[in-house]
Amino acid sequence: SQQGEEDPQALSIQEGENATMNCSYKTSINNLQWYRQNSGRGLVHLILIRSNEREKHSGRLRVTLDTSKKSSSLLITASRAADTASYFCATGLRQIKAAGNKLTFGGGTRVLVKP
Amino acid sequence: GAVVSQHPSRVICKSGTSVKIECRSLDFQATTMFWYRQFPKQSLMLMATSNEGSKATYEQGVEKDKFLINHASLTLSTLTVTSAHPEDSSFYICSAATGTSGNEQFFGPGTRLTVL
Repeated sequence: SQQGEEDPQALSIQEGENATMNCSYKTSINNLQWYRQNSGRGLVHLILIRSNEREKHSGRLRVTLDTSKKSSSLLITASRAADTASYFCATGLRQIKAAGNKLTFGGGTRVLVKP
Repeated sequence: GAVVSQHPSRVICKSGTSVKIECRSLDFQATTMFWYRQFPKQSLMLMATSNEGSKATYEQGVEKDKFLINHASLTLSTLTVTSAHPEDSSFYICSAATGTSGNEQFFGPGTRLTVL
């Protein structure tokens, strides 16, 4: 089942502005991951934040995690036209006898960065 | 490193035929592979998890007899859509993880299936 809900579903901003999107989930997690997907393409892993972490940075990306509220946010600073894509959060749960995580994806946020 | 490929990238088939999609880890051994389906403008839905040499574990609502998964080696998993119907048209994406990759898994570029 789809446990992650993302907000907003779509976002249109000007180049240089910041883009913020939020993700909420329902069950316990080991980690939460954010991915980017360009239209019709595969997923690009952006950042992973563990359940015991509250904030993480990677370049122009900033992710927060509030496990008490079961929510996360992704901030893209100084956006560029090349950031135009769909962004998905995914909650990760380690499984017994399996490598990696069982990922449950949110509905995604479609971001359009206008030049 | 950590590249996952899928073949074919696109496939068009007639209703009733079976289609096989391959997922390969090119430079690492994938202990576990995951198969997802994504309908247009929607999110990814996990279909099944497969460990090398074991039967796949299917998510609720996914028919195991319709979506046959084989993970015969540490670098190859296949998904066969049997007796495909137009409603099976979708974007199928695999990902792979190793016992040493920790929380990270690596996604393939996806396969666009269109059933006429």
